[in-house]
Amino acid sequence: EAEVAQSPRYKITEKSQAVAFWCDPISGHATLYWYRQILGQGPELLVQFQDESVVDDSQLPKDRFSAERLKGVDSTLKIQPAELGDSAMYLCASSHHIHPEAFFGQGTRLTVV
Amino acid sequence: AQSVTQLGSHVSVSEGALVLLRCNYSSSVPPYLFWYVQYPNQGLQLLLKYTSAATLVKGINGFEAEFKKSETSFHLTKPSAHMSDAAEYFCAVSDQAAGNKLTFGGGTRVLVKP
Repeated sequence: EAEVAQSPRYKITEKSQAVAFWCDPISGHATLYWYRQILGQGPELLVQFQDESVVDDSQLPKDRFSAERLKGVDSTLKIQPAELGDSAMYLCASSHHIHPEAFFGQGTRLTVV
Repeated sequence: AQSVTQLGSHVSVSEGALVLLRCNYSSSVPPYLFWYVQYPNQGLQLLLKYTSAATLVKGINGFEAEFKKSETSFHLTKPSAHMSDAAEYFCAVSDQAAGNKLTFGGGTRVLVKP
């Protein structure tokens, strides 16, 4: 069964350091999402791609966060510098242009110390 | 803007009892609605979806949900809880005008007592 792949699963980093997360969506899914989930809350959208183009990054803290999907396939989310408040689960999801449901990866649990 | 409200952040049920999780949504257009389940330190798994076909939707693991437009609700039920149903459940609404961006509720954690 096709899955969204994310790495790493867990990441511990010191504040002010840079950190990056990688996501490989389900093959053929043109839409890719990055969500952030703070413990005890629902996921919130950070950025949405349609192929290689950003569709929505209104909630992405652009002073420290960046995201790219250069070839319209896999994607990288970067934080530089990391802050204590960035500790959260970072979830990647993808969807097909015909079907509205999003499929999620296992997530990356980030702890900033 | 779309929004989702899940009533009750925690629900405790006995094994074999009915599970009922409440979800109300706000949407300016006919919505697509979803329920996802999340186990600790895992991603979200799709339980079921409503996309304007039948109002009673059946999903995986014995769950079902009913779309009620007049009540703007999409409550999730399972007739008989199993220990493996202990998890967090999220209701979500899709914004069709914004590339199917999902807006999630705050989640309901289900505890199943033996």
